Amino acid sequence: QLQLQESGPGLVKPSETLSLTCTVSGGSISSSTYYWGWIRQPPGKGLEWIGNIYYSGRTFYNPSLKTRVTISVDTSKNQFSLKLSSVTAADTAVYYCARWDQGSSGYNYGYDYWGQGTLVTVSS
Amino acid sequence: EIVMTQSPATLSVSPGERATLSCRASQSVSSNLAWYQQRPGQAPRLLIYGASTRATGIPARFSGSGSGTEFTLTISSLQSEDFAVYFCQQYNNWPTFGQGTKVEIK
Repeated sequence: QLQLQESGPGLVKPSETLSLTCTVSGGSISSSTYYWGWIRQPPGKGLEWIGNIYYSGRTFYNPSLKTRVTISVDTSKNQFSLKLSSVTAADTAVYYCARWDQGSSGYNYGYDYWGQGTLVTVSS
Repeated sequence: EIVMTQSPATLSVSPGERATLSCRASQSVSSNLAWYQQRPGQAPRLLIYGASTRATGIPARFSGSGSGTEFTLTISSLQSEDFAVYFCQQYNNWPTFGQGTKVEIK
């Protein structure tokens, strides 16, 4: 059974960089039919897509966050990571990592596996 | 950005009754739409992709329909575990989510 687990600091100071890692177990991050993504959810609010990465390192970012976001992948560790720079209180949220299934034919199947999420609070 | 608008914000339904949730896109997304269920304190769970195809393990009481800009999620007979928040997501362009519909016990 595939599992995803987010890890990283739960408290980040304003103007600093938020860094999170997602560890994938029970499957390979190097599979050609999947993308790996980050989604966040401010407390009591809706979901916001941050970006996706392919095992090759190809990335896709939310245009509204693009200048501050870097997503990277480490296939040797079966992990991918998120960095969000210059954070403010508006970046306080539960951050989820998830798997996007694109299938072998390129047909999209959605985010089918999710981590449990980790709350990151931006505060001094 | 494609804006997804869900209605109603809250839906009060009795167990065993039908629930109908709506999702509208600000421009056509074809059938590139997914529905997710989120229970309190849990991560979202994929219910529907391609507007109408149930994901693996999703009960048949969940059904999706629509294309273009208008979409519907129907839960035919609400069970206790179905009281949750439901989000639609388009992936025709960079992904965006609706603000959610909370299905609560009447």
